Amino acid sequence: QVQLVESGGGVVQPGRSLRLSCTASGFTFSSHAMHWVRQAPGKGLEWVTFITFDGRDTYYADSVKGRFTISRDNSKNTLYLQMNSLRPEDTALYYCARDVGGTRGNLLYWGQGTLVTVSS
Amino acid sequence: EIVLTQSPATLSLSPGETVTLSCRASQSIGSYLAWYQQKPGQAPRLLMYDASNRATGIPARFSGSGSGTDFTLTISSLEPEDFAVYYCQHRSNWPFTFGPGTKVD
Repeated sequence: QVQLVESGGGVVQPGRSLRLSCTASGFTFSSHAMHWVRQAPGKGLEWVTFITFDGRDTYYADSVKGRFTISRDNSKNTLYLQMNSLRPEDTALYYCARDVGGTRGNLLYWGQGTLVTVSS
Repeated sequence: EIVLTQSPATLSLSPGETVTLSCRASQSIGSYLAWYQQKPGQAPRLLMYDASNRATGIPARFSGSGSGTDFTLTISSLEPEDFAVYYCQHRSNWPFTFGPGTKVD
C-alpha cells in the first residue's frame, strides 16, 4: 500500500534552515507529482508547494516563495523541502502528499507529518 | 490568489441528521474543488474531488456538488465517525488554496 513518511522536523531558530524529507513506498514514485502541505498548531491547512513527477516544474505559495525549495530524488523515492530563512510563522506540521493518479491537486495520499518549530 | 470561504465555521449536530457544508470561491474555479475530512491527530482524508467525485472508499452518504464559485458537501445521516473538520481546496490555478474549515461537532 502507499506509504509516505516524513522526517527532518525539529526546533530551529528564526533565520536558520531545515530540510525535510518524505520517503515514499508502495507506488511508482517517479510517475507521480507531489505536494507539501502544512498546518500550524490548532489552525487550518495551507498548501505549500508542488513538484511534477520529473522535477521539471515547481510551484509555491506566496508565503514561502523565495525561501523554500521543493525537490525530489526519484532514484531514492524521496521528496525534499529545503526551508531557508525560517520565520516563527513557519511553525507547523508539514505533510507530504500525493495526487489522485492522472490529476493534479487532488491529494489522495498523505503522510503523518513532521513538526517544525521555529523559535529562539 | 483564490480565496475560499467556508460556512458555517461550526455546526452542532446529532447522529442521523443531514448536513450541508458550503464553500465559496472568490472567482470561478470550474469544478476544480476537493473536500477533505480531518480528525484530531490525523492527516486529512480526501472525500470528494472535482466537486462531485467520491474518492476511493468514501461512503455514499457523502456527496458533493457545485461549479463556478459555489460548492456544497452533503453528508446524509451523520454517523458518529463523521464528526470532524471539513476543508475545501481548489486546484484551478496556482497557488492552490484551502478554505478555513467547518467543524462538525
